[in-house]
Amino acid sequence: QVQLVESGGGVVQPGRSLRLSCVASGFSFNSYGIHWVRQAPGKGLEWLAVISYDGSNTYLADSVRGRFSISRDNSKNSLYLQMNDLSVADTAMYYCVKEVRKWVIVGATPGDSWGQGTLVAVSS
Amino acid sequence: DIQMTQSPASLSASVGDRVTITCRASQDIGNSLAWFQQKPGRVPNLLIYDAFTLQSGVPSRFSGSASGTDFTLTISSLQPEDVATYYCQKYNNAPLTFGGGTKVEIK
Repeated sequence: QVQLVESGGGVVQPGRSLRLSCVASGFSFNSYGIHWVRQAPGKGLEWLAVISYDGSNTYLADSVRGRFSISRDNSKNSLYLQMNDLSVADTAMYYCVKEVRKWVIVGATPGDSWGQGTLVAVSS
Repeated sequence: DIQMTQSPASLSASVGDRVTITCRASQDIGNSLAWFQQKPGRVPNLLIYDAFTLQSGVPSRFSGSASGTDFTLTISSLQPEDVATYYCQKYNNAPLTFGGGTKVEIK
């Protein structure tokens, strides 16, 4: 079955960097775009970024563009989120999410499978 | 960017009631609208996509409809296991914005 496992979260000081990873299994990873979504404690869902199935197209939300970047390594069934210049406002659970359809134009389909998330806490 | 306005923010209804949640897009998004259910302490679960299409395994008491830029999630007969927060998300193009969420409780 589809499985997405995030890692790399933790406690980090403001201004520092963190790299999140998401390892996928149970589906043809190189056929699906993948998203990052976060949820601050007690708050709603915030969409952050998407990368196309082949990695050729990416899009980031305004709130993180310029600080975060998304990438993937299809040979390792892995997705990454590089997060720089972190602030307290970035404290959240971070989820990777597989798209419901194959081979779509970036950002043109929702996600149907979510990982369990990795928690990022930014604190001095 | 297109904004998604979801209402109400919360509701309380009795078991067996018909429940409706609305999501309004600030611009035309066609039918590129999904609904997610997030139970307490759990990850979100895709219920409906393309405004109307029920995701595999989702009970048939859930349905989606659309009228222009207004979208509705309906639970035909509320069950105790439906206690959750529900989110809409638009995906006609990036950014894939979520609505603010609707918390559904049992009266």
